[in-house]
Amino acid sequence: AQTVTQSQPEMSVQEAETVTLSCTYDTSESDYYLFWYKQPPSRQMILVIRQEAYKQQNATENRFSVNFQKAAKSFSLKISDSQLGDAAMYFCAYRSASNAGNMLTFGGGTRLMVKP
Amino acid sequence: AAGVIQSPRHLIKEKRETATLKCYPIPRHDTVYWYQQGPGQDPQFLISFYEKMQSDKGSIPDRFSAQQFSDYHSELNMSSLELGDSALYFCASSFPSGGSTDTQYFGPGTRLTVL
Repeated sequence: AQTVTQSQPEMSVQEAETVTLSCTYDTSESDYYLFWYKQPPSRQMILVIRQEAYKQQNATENRFSVNFQKAAKSFSLKISDSQLGDAAMYFCAYRSASNAGNMLTFGGGTRLMVKP
Repeated sequence: AAGVIQSPRHLIKEKRETATLKCYPIPRHDTVYWYQQGPGQDPQFLISFYEKMQSDKGSIPDRFSAQQFSDYHSELNMSSLELGDSALYFCASSFPSGGSTDTQYFGPGTRLTVL
């Protein structure tokens, strides 16, 4: 079974600064997808960014980018120019690319606080 | 853009009662997933459906059942409710064609409180 670990329960960043959230995972599969979801106080789960394991290029979405290290099974999220609205719980998630097991497996989450 | 719709948004039930949660996926999405998120926890997968057939099953109690209907909406039926069932229940949908469309989009969740 796949496992996802987020070793930072809480992180803090100054507004306009850059912060990196860590995520590691364990899998025996070679093809899979990785995601970062944001959960603000409203509790809505919002997709931030996705990465296909077969792509070496790191995904980028505006101020959000990832550092995907497949051999190390690491998938960190970098938030540049942090904004107050970025304050939320961030979940890293794994999804198999096989026909079976299409569910998401989440890490324990990292609470990000943004200081004005 | 249309999103996943869940109803009701909030539900309060007594122990041993029954609850039904509904999920309406994004148009043209034919796969539905149910997740349970307890207080301070990450979402846990319960069950999923593809083209009205159960596709995967996770840690769903035997007291719970679910189905997907011909219009692709799904219902999660929960019986003999226990205090521990109090949680946020998410529905997510995807269009399983692989590639960039194979991403799960979440609804706003149904907050169930069992008293």
